[in-house]
Amino acid sequence: NAGVMQNPRHLVRRRGQEARLRCSPMKGHSHVYWYRQLPEEGLKFMVYLQKENIIDESGMPKERFSAEFPKEGPSILRIQQVVRGDSAAYFCASSSTELETQYFGPGTRLLVL
Amino acid sequence: GQNIDQPTEMTATEGAIVQINCTYQTSGFNGLFWYQQHAGEAPTFLSYNVLDGLEEKGRFSSFLSRSKGYSYLLLKELQMKDSASYLCAVKAGGSYIPTFGRGTSLIVHP
Repeated sequence: NAGVMQNPRHLVRRRGQEARLRCSPMKGHSHVYWYRQLPEEGLKFMVYLQKENIIDESGMPKERFSAEFPKEGPSILRIQQVVRGDSAAYFCASSSTELETQYFGPGTRLLVL
Repeated sequence: GQNIDQPTEMTATEGAIVQINCTYQTSGFNGLFWYQQHAGEAPTFLSYNVLDGLEEKGRFSSFLSRSKGYSYLLLKELQMKDSASYLCAVKAGGSYIPTFGRGTSLIVHP
């Protein structure tokens, strides 16, 4: 299966803990995008990365949130000191170039207690 | 910014045809996507329109009119498994990032 992989699929954290979400893009894709989806709402763009570079982080909160896409390994979305409002589904997508269609992973459902 | 409107919910009968509309207001249009998303699952790519006209792909077709800022997704011979949310997304303004509408929840009943 050469699709976009995300793990974990479900993550439960208590307020104040850290959440780490991982995304492995589709084979041959070097562009990764993170989105957040709240119930009954659309997908909201957070950050766009290429290998070792953040291209666009205009949708990501300035505090507590960070993202990376190292030369080796998956892309990581990190949320520090989680709050209940961070509870959402976080989707990763990848594409072969910035012009091509994005393909989505299965998502990570984060629940903050 | 961009404004994308879709109906919140639609219902249809198995075997019928349904049209899901999407209107948008944007500058520098760069393409429009339709995705299907089943509850609790990832959005899956259905179609991409950048030029005016109808693109047909099996039971699904997508239409675009750039001058009217309008697109629709047409689903024929509806099946129960077509019950899902259908997301319209627009690329515009030189951005590589599509802006998604809230999605249309389609319920197909027997």
